Amino acid sequence: EVQLLESGGGLVQPGGSLRLSCASSGFTFSNYAMTWVRQAPGKGLEWVSGISTAGIATYHADSVKGRFTISRDNSKNTLYLQMNSLRGEDTAVYYCARWRAGNYFDYWGQGTLVTVSS
Amino acid sequence: QTVVTQEPSFSVSPGGTVTLTCGLSSGSVSTSYYPSWYQQTPGQAPRTLIYNTNTRSSGVPDRFSGSILGNKAALTITGAQADDECDYYCVLYVDSGIYVFGTGTKVTVL
Repeated sequence: EVQLLESGGGLVQPGGSLRLSCASSGFTFSNYAMTWVRQAPGKGLEWVSGISTAGIATYHADSVKGRFTISRDNSKNTLYLQMNSLRGEDTAVYYCARWRAGNYFDYWGQGTLVTVSS
Repeated sequence: QTVVTQEPSFSVSPGGTVTLTCGLSSGSVSTSYYPSWYQQTPGQAPRTLIYNTNTRSSGVPDRFSGSILGNKAALTITGAQADDECDYYCVLYVDSGIYVFGTGTKVTVL
């Protein structure tokens, strides 16, 4: 069974940093691209970042470009999102998802909440 | 900046049919955007319904179908059930490795 488990969320002050993790199991992690999607409280879903299977290619939404970095450790079956220079508008539940070659996301984690507030 | 638009809300009667759409602020949606659709109940992670315009994800009932209607992607629910009441989001592949979610549609079954 495919499982994705996010961790690392919490309360952080504006301008601060946080690193999210997404531990995977039930599939060969290194064979799949991965992505992060977020959802601000009461708002819709927003695609944040994506990474290729080997981690060579990375992609970021304009809203986080230059502040967030997606990475992965295939030896640990884990996806990461390093978030720097955090702002109030980054407050959201962050989901990791498996990114399929057909340009869609098929399995999702349950999410981790990031709150940016002083 | 690419904006993907969806109807804010829709109401459908039990057993009825509803079609949600997914459009672009400028331009037409085609299969080249690989439209996909996701269902989300409050407090839960999204669930994948449709990908590559019209392919149902594993385990998704055939009352859900995807298509291109005119210049938009569309999700049709035929024979709506009470547990179809939730939020629906489309996603478009807009550039190399870049995706944009639609604004979401809240469906009410009553």
